[in-house]
This record gives sequence, C-alpha cells and structure tokens, in this order.
Amino acid sequence: DSGVTQTPKHLITATGQRVTLRCSPRSGDLSVYWYQQSLDQGLQFLIHYYNGEERAKGNILERFSAQQFPDLHSELNLSSLELGDSALYFCASSVDQGASPLHFGNGTRLTVT
Amino acid sequence: KNQVEQSPQSLIILEGKNCTLQCNYTVSPFSNLRWYKQDTGRGPVSLTIMTFSENTKSNGRYTATLDADTKQSSLHITASQLSDSASYICVVTLILTGGGNKLTFGTGTQLKVEL
Repeated sequence: DSGVTQTPKHLITATGQRVTLRCSPRSGDLSVYWYQQSLDQGLQFLIHYYNGEERAKGNILERFSAQQFPDLHSELNLSSLELGDSALYFCASSVDQGASPLHFGNGTRLTVT
Repeated sequence: KNQVEQSPQSLIILEGKNCTLQCNYTVSPFSNLRWYKQDTGRGPVSLTIMTFSENTKSNGRYTATLDADTKQSSLHITASQLSDSASYICVVTLILTGGGNKLTFGTGTQLKVEL
C-alpha cells in the first residue's frame, strides 16, 4: 500500500459532462502530481503542486484544472468531457519537489461514453 | 524534444532466467533517473532512483545502471519470478528553476515471466 488514496476507483460518464477526481497524498508528503495514462500509452504528466502552490504544468488541457487544498489533498477537475479523455488518471505524492520517490495511488479509471 | 525511449517493447522469459531492459534518453540536463514497476491496473512502484553522478543502484534482484555520457540506463533483473511480470518504466526527472519538476516517462517494457 503506497499510502496514496484516490477516489473514485471507477467513473463512467457521458460526453460533455464534468467530473472531479480526488487524491489524498501520503501522510507528510507535500507534493502532489497528476498523470494521465491512456490505453497502451505511457504516463503523461499533467500538473504538479507543492504545499498548495502550482509548480509545474505538463500537457494539461484547458478543460482540465486542479488544485491542492490546505490539508494537502488534491482534486483534478475534468470538464466538457470527450471520448478521448477516457483513461486512467493517477495521482502521486512525494515529500519534496523532485529528489525523492513518487508514491502512486492505484488510479481512477474514467470511461467517457 | 526531451524523450525517453525504452527497449524492447515487450519481453517473455522463463522463470529463473535473467533479463536486461534498456532506456535511452535525451532529457538534458536531468536531475535523476528512476525505474518503476507497474502491475496491470495499478499505480507504478519505485524500484530505484539514481542521480547523474551514480552509475549503479540495486534493490534486491533489481540492478539499475546509468551512463550519463551516453545517456543510457539499464535495469537488470536476476533470477526472475512470476511476480516480476509487469511493465517496467524508465523515468527521467528535470528539476525546474522555479522549484517544480517535470518527469518524462518512457512507454515501458512489458515483461512476462513464464513457467
């Protein structure tokens, strides 16, 4: 068990809808990262937060947004969903901003129909 | 464009045998190179992290090597077990001047260990 909790585990929704994915990092970790993994694809970096502040952005669409709250949990909001947004969304946490291992949750599987 | 390429894409070996997975990268400058193991439908699990000044790191039956001059890394698995069947992902970290970091993931080598 990595200590990173992601909810929900599975999400099925229709095109055009909006969803929120939630991540609780490991106790003591200040960094939270979001990644997207489409079928048979590598992990694509979306965004990194450290202690509530955005630190780096990857290929995150404008329809997607995220935030990290004072209690360090994070939410990834996906809106105007398209079929191509169907993927596994992983959250990872680490104690610092790049030198330490990332601890991944088991992901949220999003299916857009 | 910063890239991380892994080979082979997939590999099937018999239980008990050794294998070596390759990673070539163009990310520069980089801060560290990581190997992760990802079981199907699960999050990746860290195996090793090496800074640019390290050239080998072991974690049990897993040994990673790094040649920063040729920008190559390898992951050697000794005495493979059925539970080693997974995707092995090479990740290169670029720490940004603002304090954030960007991890570039390879697409992984899918390893299957058979009886």
